[in-house]
Amino acid sequence: GENVEQHPSTLSVQEGDSAVIKCTYSDSASNYFPWYKQELGKRPQLIIDIRSNVGEKKDQRIAVTLNKTAKHFSLHITETQPEDSAVYFCAATRHQFYFGTGTSLTVIP
Amino acid sequence: DGGITQSPKYLFRKEGQNVTLSCEQNLNHDAMYWYRQDPGQGLRLIYYSQIVNDFQKGDIAEGYSVSREKKESFPLTVTSAQKNPTAFYLCASRRLAGGPSDTQYFGPGTRLTVL
Repeated sequence: GENVEQHPSTLSVQEGDSAVIKCTYSDSASNYFPWYKQELGKRPQLIIDIRSNVGEKKDQRIAVTLNKTAKHFSLHITETQPEDSAVYFCAATRHQFYFGTGTSLTVIP
Repeated sequence: DGGITQSPKYLFRKEGQNVTLSCEQNLNHDAMYWYRQDPGQGLRLIYYSQIVNDFQKGDIAEGYSVSREKKESFPLTVTSAQKNPTAFYLCASRRLAGGPSDTQYFGPGTRLTVL
């Protein structure tokens, strides 16, 4: 089956700086890559996603890039704000979703 | 997300008891999923169902059971055979037609504690 690895497990940045979270996957057939944000005690919520036929997607301060050849994809958050502090999960899927182990992001005011 | 509900929000169980967690969705989604989340860990798949009256084991199905008698409902029973059931349980659903509908949406979760 698919194996998704996510790095780093924790990340601290100063407010206004950028944050980058990276994921790798093993199954070249995976074709959909969502990113979820989970605040403490709450449900994961989709923040951005990308399909295998696209290399990059941007939504305001958030962007995702995908390198199919290398089988890795990354989440980029620019101009970070304290409310960006949360756990972020990546996932890779063709049918079943396979999640990374999460990155705890702390934005320091 | 508001179309997926889970109950109860908090659940306490004595050792040896079976408990059932409810998950309902009104999004007309085909597939439903149950995940377990432990502190500092990712989401681990327990069971999933793509159509009514059919379901498949995920990575950690031992000690759990499910049913899918209706499209909108996918209850999870945590049996006494599950040795360490204290965790946060998340239900999710997804339409299978492709396109933006590939996205999986989560319910608010149930926090189960064994006393």
